[in-house]
Amino acid sequence: DAGVIQSPRHEVTEMGQEVTLRCKPISGHDYLFWYRQTMMRGLELLIYFNNNVPIDDSGMPEDRFSAKMPNASFSTLKIQPSEPRDSAVYFCASSLTGLVKFFGPGTRLTVL
Amino acid sequence: TQLLEQSPQFLSIQEGENLTVYCNSSSVFSSLQWYRQEPGEGPVLLVTVVTGGEVKKLKRLTFQFGDARKDSSLHITAAQPGDTGLYLCAGEASGGSNYKLTFGKGTLLTVNP
Repeated sequence: DAGVIQSPRHEVTEMGQEVTLRCKPISGHDYLFWYRQTMMRGLELLIYFNNNVPIDDSGMPEDRFSAKMPNASFSTLKIQPSEPRDSAVYFCASSLTGLVKFFGPGTRLTVL
Repeated sequence: TQLLEQSPQFLSIQEGENLTVYCNSSSVFSSLQWYRQEPGEGPVLLVTVVTGGEVKKLKRLTFQFGDARKDSSLHITAAQPGDTGLYLCAGEASGGSNYKLTFGKGTLLTVNP
């Protein structure tokens, strides 16, 4: 069975450009989470959805970040405009119950 | 903000040795999870502990949740190179949402053959 799918796996962009990260959760999972991982701050929750509805976006760093989940099988995290400090690995995770999470392989973002 | 401190930050040992890594907080958690993350991949859940004093075993890995539910430990017996990875603990706030886990920064374990 396919796990959580993320694309792209690697993204290199220049400061000021728009970046869109994509996630396909495990089929049947009602919860979807976006995390960011850096050496300094570790793994941080950005936002999570339940049944395609954003439940808590308190972890979204600022207005440059936005996330959508137009349907049960797709979500995007957009950064516009991107800045060097946004460089990190971004993970999407899905869950059937909310507590047990299955993480995707991540997108390594580098903003020059 | 609830913080989870993991120690040691780095650990390099020889195959066959035993080791223990720790996850500590001043806050009470209703449950705590341990994950292992390999390079270039996402974290993979190993175990969830929910009861103070609970001990769970997964082959050569033993997980313990502190009596006060503020700390946890992971003990590996006879470590193997395949155990190499970043071990993360994550706590679910007591009385809070089931879904907003607080993660520690991890212990990076290297097991040398």
